[in-house]
Amino acid sequence: GAVVSQHPSRVICKSGTSVKIECRSLDFQATTMFWYRQFPKQSLMLMATSNEGSKATYEQGVEKDKFLINHASLTLSTLTVTSAHPEDSSFYICSARDWQAGLEGYTFGSGTRLTVV
Amino acid sequence: AQSVAQPEDQVNVAEGNPLTVKCTYSVSGNPYLFWYVQYPNRGLQFLLKYITGDNLVKGSYGFEAEFNKSQTSFHLKKPSALVSDSALYFCAVIRGAGSYQLTFGKGTKLSVIP
Repeated sequence: GAVVSQHPSRVICKSGTSVKIECRSLDFQATTMFWYRQFPKQSLMLMATSNEGSKATYEQGVEKDKFLINHASLTLSTLTVTSAHPEDSSFYICSARDWQAGLEGYTFGSGTRLTVV
Repeated sequence: AQSVAQPEDQVNVAEGNPLTVKCTYSVSGNPYLFWYVQYPNRGLQFLLKYITGDNLVKGSYGFEAEFNKSQTSFHLKKPSALVSDSALYFCAVIRGAGSYQLTFGKGTKLSVIP
């Protein structure tokens, strides 16, 4: 089946630094990828939708200058958390849609646990 | 805007007993409904979906869900729970044709007690 690889799985960074998270579709082309943030004991909150070759669409309340999303190829999207602060600590999950698989075609990465100290 | 509600934060069930995880939805137009499961520090895994047709849909790992239009519900069920079913379960909805963004419920933690 479709596989999405998300890296790193865990990262600890100092406040003020930037962190890049990668999301790769391994065996399908993903024209659309989604980035979610999950707080403890809470649901997944959609942060942004990225389309290959174009600017990402951010959800209301998400700072696009802080959470930079790049979707330069059909198999790779990256989320960069810039000038990270402790309140950015969270679990970030990406999802890629395989359009050929129809509505079952949402495949999720294994997530990245970001801790900002 | 579409939304889903999972009224229970946690469900506890004894191993071997039937389990139900509840979900209700609110959407204009035809709903496309999904169930996903998440194990600790992992992404989500697809369990099953309802698009159209038979109201009872069968999915992975012995799970099934029943679409009830009059009650706007899509409860997840399994006849006999396993300890390995313990995880976080999310109900999700897509508004319908032309939309492709999933909206998730808050999740229900299922604990199956040996």
